[in-house]
Parts: sequence; structure tokens; C-alpha cells
Amino acid sequence: NAGVTQTPKFRVLKTGQSMTLLCAQDMNHEYMYWYRQDPGMGLRLIHYSVGEGTTAKGEVPDGYNVSRLKKQNFLLGLESAAPSQTSVYFCASKLGAGNSPLHFGNGTRLTVT
Amino acid sequence: KQEVTQIPAALSVPEGENLVLNCSFTDSAIYNLQWFRQDPGKGLTSLLLIQSSQREQTSGRLNASLDKSSGRSTLYIAASQPGDSATYLCAPNRGGSNYKLTFGKGTLLTVNP
Repeated sequence: NAGVTQTPKFRVLKTGQSMTLLCAQDMNHEYMYWYRQDPGMGLRLIHYSVGEGTTAKGEVPDGYNVSRLKKQNFLLGLESAAPSQTSVYFCASKLGAGNSPLHFGNGTRLTVT
Repeated sequence: KQEVTQIPAALSVPEGENLVLNCSFTDSAIYNLQWFRQDPGKGLTSLLLIQSSQREQTSGRLNASLDKSSGRSTLYIAASQPGDSATYLCAPNRGGSNYKLTFGKGTLLTVNP
């Protein structure tokens, strides 16, 4: 049982380039989330999804887009990367509403030069 | 806006010691509260989830308490081991879908052999 898998693990981009981060979960979870973690800022929610075909904005959505075409996958896109998007990105998933815990992937470390 | 404070920011103890990590939050209207552990370069692992109607939750050597009215939670670790060394984060949740989950910045715990 792999849990939550993020690809890639590391990436370096130049300013203005685009990329997509992939998150896959094999636990049949309804809810999925993208967070970024920065020193001194803690974890902040970028976008989330409460089911296949749905997405919603979190605390810091600007500069990012997401898609949830399949229940098991949640994609995070950067259309035109900026140095301010240098961060560690975490995907998480949850069974559904209610008192079920959040499961995290191991993160993607992104550097934008 | 929910503000979460974790004290201390860092803690170093000898192996075998019992210890308490503190978490305070400003908005007591929470649905549940989770404690997570994060190892360097890894994602977060859920340790305990306390529902708003509960006072305590236990898992092995870990015990988490919740005093919702005063906006406080503690994580008690008994008989600490070097393998407990990690960053511990608390996250009160205002809604059942977890998109209202707010993370503290964490306590970095080092257990010395």
C-alpha cells in the first residue's frame, strides 16, 4: 500500500518556466490537498479538492492551478514559475468529511532560479 | 483567523525522560485537533486525532489532551527515545473537511542517547 505518492521529488526551474506536480493516492480518499512549507511560515494550503472533478482555492492560490480529473490523482500546475514559488510542496489526502486523519506524501522540493 | 502557537520551538532532552509539548490556538470553535510528526526531508505523519468532544487520546507512549475552551492541547511523550527526534506539529481544524486546518510551526525535539 503506497499511500500518497508525489512526483518528482526534486526540480529546478528557471523563472517563467512551467511544470506540473503529480500526486497519486491509492487509499480511495475523496479529499486531496496541496500545501507549501516555507521556513518560518509553516504549512499553507494552496488548493484542495473534495471529490473528483472539484477544486477550490486555499490560503495562497495565486500562481497555481489544479485539476482532479481522476479520484486518485491531484495535479498542481505552475504556469510561469517565480522565485517566490521556491518551496517544498506537500500533497495530502483524507478519506472524507469527519474525523479521519490527513495522510501526507513525502514532498517535492522546488527551486526557481 | 486561527493562530496556532507551539512552545517551546525546540527542546533537547536525555533519553528516557518524559516530556510535554504545548499547543495553543486562538479560536476554540474547532472540530478536531491533530498532532503530526515530521522527520527531516519527509512528509507529515499523523500521530493522534482528538475530536472536539474528547479530552484525551492515547497511542502507545503518546498521550494528547485537549482543552477546547481554553484553546490548549498538549502532547505527552513517555520514556522518550532517540527515534522520537523529529518536529512535532499541532493542527486544530475548524471544519470536517480539513480545509480549515491550521498548522503550528512545530516543536523540534531532540532526544539524546
